[in-house]
Amino acid sequence: AQSVTQLGSHVSVSEGALVLLRCNYSSSVPPYLFWYVQYPNQGLQLLLKYTSAATLVKGINGFEAEFKKSETSFHLTKPSAHMSDAAEYFCAVSDPYSKLVFGAGTILRVKS
Amino acid sequence: NAGVTQTPKFQVLKTGQSMTLQCAQDMNHNSMYWYRQDPGMGLRLIYYSASEGTTDKGEVPNGYNVSRLNKREFSLRLESAAPSQTSVYFCASRRLNRGDNEQFFGPGTRLTVL
Repeated sequence: AQSVTQLGSHVSVSEGALVLLRCNYSSSVPPYLFWYVQYPNQGLQLLLKYTSAATLVKGINGFEAEFKKSETSFHLTKPSAHMSDAAEYFCAVSDPYSKLVFGAGTILRVKS
Repeated sequence: NAGVTQTPKFQVLKTGQSMTLQCAQDMNHNSMYWYRQDPGMGLRLIYYSASEGTTDKGEVPNGYNVSRLNKREFSLRLESAAPSQTSVYFCASRRLNRGDNEQFFGPGTRLTVL
């Protein structure tokens, strides 16, 4: 069975600081990995995805994530936080044709 | 192209009442999903439909039923609502023949059961 662990239910950063949201996964087969963002009172929007191509994946709004097989990690980063980045972020895993399994989510707060 | 739409956006029920949440997608996707979102628990799969005419249970199906009305529409029914079903419900759809399993989400339905 696949699973996802997001370390830290809440992360707080200052505007302009590095954003690092952690995600570790468990999968018995090569995984597909996703980061979704949810702004208040909205649905989920895909930020980026890893599907066994390049290990460094670039997404929307300046976010990127690196797939590290040896560490079973897929951490999300952004060099400089903006106030508009405040949202909840979800990491998810699947194998090629099965269902998505989501982590519990990380709420990002950006301080001015 | 509206993507995935859900109705209603908000609903308040009394314990024991029934209701149906509606979902439709206009992207010609074959697979559709219903999730519930609760604080600190991420999204949990209730039911899904891999293709028109098929439905399967997900992680938390108890208390729910679904109908895949046609390729576009996938409804979720609560026959006798309970306070434990207070949640935000999301519908999603996925392209067929794309191994990356990217799903597209609707805006959600906020349900409160008193």
